[in-house]
Amino acid sequence: AQSVTQLGSHVSVSEGALVLLRCNYSSSVPPYLFWYVQYPNQGLQLLLKYTSAATLVKGINGFEAEFKKSETSFHLTKPSAHMSDAAEYFCAVNSEGSNYKLTFGKGTLLTVNP
Amino acid sequence: DTEVTQTPKHLVMGMTNKKSLKCEQHMGHRAMYWYKQKAKKPPELMFVYSYEKLSINESVPSRFSPECPNSSLLNLHLHALQPEDSALYLCASSQPRRLTTRNEQFFGPGTRLTVL
Repeated sequence: AQSVTQLGSHVSVSEGALVLLRCNYSSSVPPYLFWYVQYPNQGLQLLLKYTSAATLVKGINGFEAEFKKSETSFHLTKPSAHMSDAAEYFCAVNSEGSNYKLTFGKGTLLTVNP
Repeated sequence: DTEVTQTPKHLVMGMTNKKSLKCEQHMGHRAMYWYKQKAKKPPELMFVYSYEKLSINESVPSRFSPECPNSSLLNLHLHALQPEDSALYLCASSQPRRLTTRNEQFFGPGTRLTVL
C-alpha cells in the first residue's frame, strides 16, 4: 500500500530564505505525486503535480519539486520565502489500483518570520 | 472555470437538526468527492461519486447521506449529528478516466460545521 511521510510537522524560515519541505513516498507502482497548500480556513489548492513526465516540476507561486526515484522523494522548494507562503502543505500520492483515492501525508505547517 | 464552490461557508446545527451541504463544479469533471478534515490533520475521504453513481463509501455513518443530482452538483445531507462531527467538510472533483489527471483533485473552500 502507498504511504507518504512528511518530515517535520512544522518548518519555520525567515522571509527571503530557502523553503524546503520534505516528502518521501512508498509505492509499488509508478506514483503520481501532488503537493497541495491550505491557507487558514480555506480548502486545498494544488501547487504542482508529478505524473511521470519531467522529473523537475514547476508549480504556482514560485514553488517547484523534484521527483527522485532512487530516494523515493518529492521535496518541495522555493528559493525565497514570502510572508504569504505561510500555510499548511500536504504531499499526496495516488493510491494503488484506484482512480480516485489519494494518500495524504500528515502535513507540514510553514511559518515565515519577518 | 476551474472552481469548486461550496455553500454554506459556515453552519451551526443542533444534534436534532437536518441540514444539507452543497457543492458545485463546472469543469466537466465526472468524479466528485466529500472529505472531512479535523484541525491540523489531512483530509479524510468520505464518499466518491463517479458518473453520478456512488463509487466509494468509506464506512461513513448513516447520519451522513450523499446525493449527486447531476454531474455538476453534489450534496451531503446531515441528520442527527454528534459534536464530534464538527469539522471542515471539503468537496473536490476530478476527471477520472484520463490517465494523467485521474487523481488530480480540485478542492472547494469547505464548509465549517459546528454541531452543538
